Amino acid sequence: KAGVTQTPRYLIKTRGQQVTLSCSPISGHRSVSWYQQTPGQGLQFLFEYFSETQRNKGNFPGRFSGRQFSNSRSEMNVSTLELGDSALYLCASSPDAGGSNQPQHFGDGTRLSIL
Amino acid sequence: QKEVEQNSGPLSVPEGAIASLNCTYSDRVSQSFFWYRQYSGKSPELIMSIYSNGDKEDGRFTAQLNKASQYVSLLIRDSQPSDSATYLCAGPPRGTGFQKLVFGTGTRLLVSP
Repeated sequence: KAGVTQTPRYLIKTRGQQVTLSCSPISGHRSVSWYQQTPGQGLQFLFEYFSETQRNKGNFPGRFSGRQFSNSRSEMNVSTLELGDSALYLCASSPDAGGSNQPQHFGDGTRLSIL
Repeated sequence: QKEVEQNSGPLSVPEGAIASLNCTYSDRVSQSFFWYRQYSGKSPELIMSIYSNGDKEDGRFTAQLNKASQYVSLLIRDSQPSDSATYLCAGPPRGTGFQKLVFGTGTRLLVSP
């Protein structure tokens, strides 16, 4: 079974630009969560999508947004990039929701560097 | 108090020893926990999950959950140099499912040959 696939793996942007990252979950997984990992703040939850709806949201500004498609693939978008947005962006998927005991599995991440 | 706290380490152990990694959590976190291993430059990999009080063993790994003390630990027996990595403890905030996790800052483990 293929794992969580994130594209691209690496991205370099400049301040003020916007970026779109993509995530394909494990086949059959319907929930997709996004996290940001930085050396200073560690792993922080951005948002989670299930059935094309954002169900959970973290404490990030509105410049961070996402969506999910009917095939469970998800994208996240960051607009007006800032230097502090440089991070590893991780996508994780799990089969379902409702508090079921199904842990998340992470993709390899997209490393975003802002110049 | 942070929701999930870990000592950043590094924790240094010789090859073959038992490595003990610890995590404490606040009342804001549900009492189900996950341990992820993250090698440098890689993404987190799930190695253990524990949902009830007591011990759970899987190969060389044992997870322990003590709800009364709000404490969760990971023991690695017969530590190998390949176990050298950062270990992350995570749990869901109360009122949310397992799709939203709060992570500790991670403990870096170094296993010397």
